[in-house]
Amino acid sequence: QQQVKQSPQSLIVQKGGISIINCAYENTAFDYFPWYQQFPGKGPALLIAIRPDVSEKKEGRFTISFNKSAKQFSLHIMDSQPGDSATYFCAARIGGGSYIPTFGRGTSLIVHP
Amino acid sequence: ETGVTQSPTHLIKTRGQQVTLRCSSQSGHNTVSWYQQALGQGPQFIFQYYREEENGRGNFPPRFSGLQFPNYSSELNVNALELDDSALYLCASSRQGFSYEQYFGPGTRLTVT
Repeated sequence: QQQVKQSPQSLIVQKGGISIINCAYENTAFDYFPWYQQFPGKGPALLIAIRPDVSEKKEGRFTISFNKSAKQFSLHIMDSQPGDSATYFCAARIGGGSYIPTFGRGTSLIVHP
Repeated sequence: ETGVTQSPTHLIKTRGQQVTLRCSSQSGHNTVSWYQQALGQGPQFIFQYYREEENGRGNFPPRFSGLQFPNYSSELNVNALELDDSALYLCASSRQGFSYEQYFGPGTRLTVT
C-alpha cells in the first residue's frame, strides 16, 4: 500500500517555465512533509519542507503548497533552469519518535534550455 | 564538516552470497538509517540505529541486519542475496532529538546476478 502518491512520473519543462509536482497522502498522522532533490549518482538532499499548520512555504524559486483538507501537497519550481533537472521525491513523516519518512515514487524533471 | 560517506560505491554479487555495506555518519550525528532504493522508486526504509541499538525497522526480512559502532558508523548486512536485492542502498544520518532532517550519503549500488 502506497501511503504517499506522487505525480507525474516524469515532467519536461522549458527553461523559465513553472514545474509542478503533486503528492497525495492518506495517513492523517503525518505531520511533516519534505521534498527531496536527487541528482544521478547522489543521495537525496532536502530541498524544502512544510508542516500541516501552514498552507504555503516559499524558499527562493521553490514553493510548497499544502491543502490539509484534501490531503495534498505540491512543489512549484518557478523560472525552472536546466540545473533543476533531477528526480524529485515528496515524503511524509508520522509525528513522534524517530524520523522515518515515507517517500513517493519520484518525478523525473527535465528542463530544456 | 564531513558529510555522510558510504563504501563501496558499486558492488556485484551472486545470488545466495552475503554482502556488507558501510556508512560513516556526518560529524555530530548519532543516528543512522538505511534505505533501499530500487530503480525508478523512492527510498524504502530498512532500519534505523541509535546508540548502537536498532530503533525502528521497515518491512524487510531478517536477512537484512545491521550494526552501529561507538563512533556512530554503521554496517548493513544482507544474507542469502536475491536478485530483487539489486538496488541503491542509501545511508542517512541525523541527530536524534535535535533535528527532523536526515542527510543522505551517495549510496552503494548493489547488483545481484
